[in-house]
Amino acid sequence: DIQMTQSPSSLSASVGDRVTITCRASQGISNYLAWYQQKRGKVPQLLIYAASTLQLGVSSRFSGGGSGTDFTLTISSLQPEDVATYYCQKYNSPPPFTFGPGTKVDIK
Amino acid sequence: QVQLVESGGGVVQPGRSLTLSCAASGFTFSSYVMHWVRQAPGKGLEWVAILWFDGSNEYYADSVKGRFTISRDNSKNTLYLQMNSLRAEDTAVYYCARARGAVTNALDYWGQGTLVTVSS
Repeated sequence: DIQMTQSPSSLSASVGDRVTITCRASQGISNYLAWYQQKRGKVPQLLIYAASTLQLGVSSRFSGGGSGTDFTLTISSLQPEDVATYYCQKYNSPPPFTFGPGTKVDIK
Repeated sequence: QVQLVESGGGVVQPGRSLTLSCAASGFTFSSYVMHWVRQAPGKGLEWVAILWFDGSNEYYADSVKGRFTISRDNSKNTLYLQMNSLRAEDTAVYYCARARGAVTNALDYWGQGTLVTVSS
C-alpha cells in the first residue's frame, strides 16, 4: 500500500505569514491528491483536488502544487480562520485511499 | 443542497454488531461513489470503505476487512455500513462522504458524523 506522510506535524505562524505544508506519497500517484481542512469539532472540508484545483467556494489564499510523490499546500497569507488541521489524501486506484497524518496550524 | 445524514451510532460491547446509515439528499445518489471515513477521538482521519455508484465494486481498509460491509440502496438514497465483531479500536466518529464526479475522486461532501463507542 502507498503511505502518505506530511510535514511538519504542526506549525505556528503569524497572521499574514505564508505557510506551506508538504505531503509525500511513498509511490507516484500522478495528481490524484486532495487537501482537506478540519477545524476543531467540525467536519472535514475539501479545499483542493487534483493536486492544484481549488474547490468551489474555497478562498484563493489556498493553493496546491506538485505531482508524482511530492505535493504542497500553501496558505498565501495566514488568517485567524485558517486555524485547523490539514490532511492530504491520495485517491488513485487501487485503494486504500489513505489520508496523511495531518498538520495542525495555529496562530503565533 | 447536498445533505448527508448519518445515524445508528451508539455504545456497543466488544464483539457485537452495529449498522450505520447515511441518508442522502439534494443530488442523484445513484450516480455517485460513496465512502465511509472514521476518526478516533483526538486522532486523524482514516479511510474505511468505498462503494461504486451501482454497488458493483467495494473495497475496505485492512483494519476492517472481513468485519465491515458497505452497501447501498439507491431506491432509498441510503448508504450503510454493517460492522461486525467490533473492537475497542473501532471507537470513532464515522462519516459518510461523497466522491466528486468520477469513480475515484476527492470527497466533496461529508455528513456530520455518528459516534460509535465500543466498550464493555
